[in-house]
Amino acid sequence: QKEVEQNSGPLSVPEGAIASLNCTYSDRGSQSFFWYRQYSGKSPELIMSIYSNGDKEDGRFTAQLNKASQYVSLLIRDSQPSDSATYLCAVLERADGLTFGKGTHLIIQP
Amino acid sequence: DAGVIQSPRHEVTEMGQEVTLRCKPISGHDYLFWYRQTMMRGLELLIYFNNNVPIDDSGMPEDRFSAKMPNASFSTLKIQPSEPRDSAVYFCASSFLVRNEQFFGPGTRLTVL
Repeated sequence: QKEVEQNSGPLSVPEGAIASLNCTYSDRGSQSFFWYRQYSGKSPELIMSIYSNGDKEDGRFTAQLNKASQYVSLLIRDSQPSDSATYLCAVLERADGLTFGKGTHLIIQP
Repeated sequence: DAGVIQSPRHEVTEMGQEVTLRCKPISGHDYLFWYRQTMMRGLELLIYFNNNVPIDDSGMPEDRFSAKMPNASFSTLKIQPSEPRDSAVYFCASSFLVRNEQFFGPGTRLTVL
């Protein structure tokens, strides 16, 4: 049974600070990793994808992947109130569909 | 591109009725996925198609659920008969390759009374 674990939160971060979101996964064969953002009542939208060990930066967002430790993280710099949402970690193992974590609820306090 | 299109956006029905959810993927995407999201279980993959062929339906909860993809631009998810525990938001998503990013539709909020 493939599992993707996230702390459900809520994670409260002051505006302008760095928000750090973490995710662990159980399947060592996993090859593709994604972070989605979901606002209440809306559909998930892709934030970042990462496929190899290390860091990947896109604007204020940085995804980090460590396959040996089986974790993936998302850093949000200069957090804004508009970043308040639920962040879903998703993992793809070979040709199977995505397995999603239950998400971390992030609150950015003005 | 209009993105993934789903209909209806909201559906309220009574237990025992048949429910049909519809999805139009992004043009050119070869993969189509159906998900269900609830507070308790999160986002769960129900079934996915590659080039209109079902590849993995192990997430379909039981025989009351069925899905079809008669052509590259249309898919349906049917529940017959529906039960209150089927109440959830059902998302359709599509991607170009299975390892690529998936793009989600707006979802169908289903309420079974």
